[in-house]
Amino acid sequence: GAGVSQSPRYKVAKRGQDVALRCDPISGHVSLFWYQQALGQGPEFLTYFQNEAQLDKSGLPSDRFFAERPEGSVSTLKIQRTQQEDSAVYLCASSPSGVNTGELFFGEGSRLTVL
Amino acid sequence: GDSVTQMEGPVTLSEEAFLTINCTYTATGYPSLFWYVQYPGEGLQLLLKATKADDKGSNKGFEATYRKETTSFHLEKGSVQVSDSAVYFCALLGLTGGGNKLTFGTGTQLKVEL
Repeated sequence: GAGVSQSPRYKVAKRGQDVALRCDPISGHVSLFWYQQALGQGPEFLTYFQNEAQLDKSGLPSDRFFAERPEGSVSTLKIQRTQQEDSAVYLCASSPSGVNTGELFFGEGSRLTVL
Repeated sequence: GDSVTQMEGPVTLSEEAFLTINCTYTATGYPSLFWYVQYPGEGLQLLLKATKADDKGSNKGFEATYRKETTSFHLEKGSVQVSDSAVYFCALLGLTGGGNKLTFGTGTQLKVEL
């Protein structure tokens, strides 16, 4: 029984580089979320998918951030022209329901460091 | 907007001590409230939840009661173990933003020593 899997676990990027972070949710889970967790802070919402539809992207901090889930399973969070303030742990979470109950299954996160 | 305030850590206790981690919230309407836990090297896990006033969530010996009059959801455990050492996050699911996002506190690190 695999949980939510994220890759890479660690990513170091030079400022200005593009990065892509991958999330494999639990099989069959309808809802998928991305959160950003800065050091010493709680997770902050970025975006939400229900199957392949991106229903909420209100938390994406700038147009450099882009997320997709084209087949309603695996999702990718892409950050273009990375900046130092993008350094954080990016968490992916999934839920079996199409209704958000707040009961999410989180991956271990991808830690991004921008130099 | 919605917000969650947790007591700052780290909290250091001896094994078998009583634990309280305070959590208060600000939200419109009647949010659902959660405690998530992050053990070292692992992802966040749901510990317990409560969906309406006076509900008590409980799991693994931990309890929290949804107090609307004080807008609080304090986490308690009567006797902590070394294995409870982790970071604990209080969170709410409110109406803000279409009910799509959990709003988290900053987390409280708990260290339990023998």
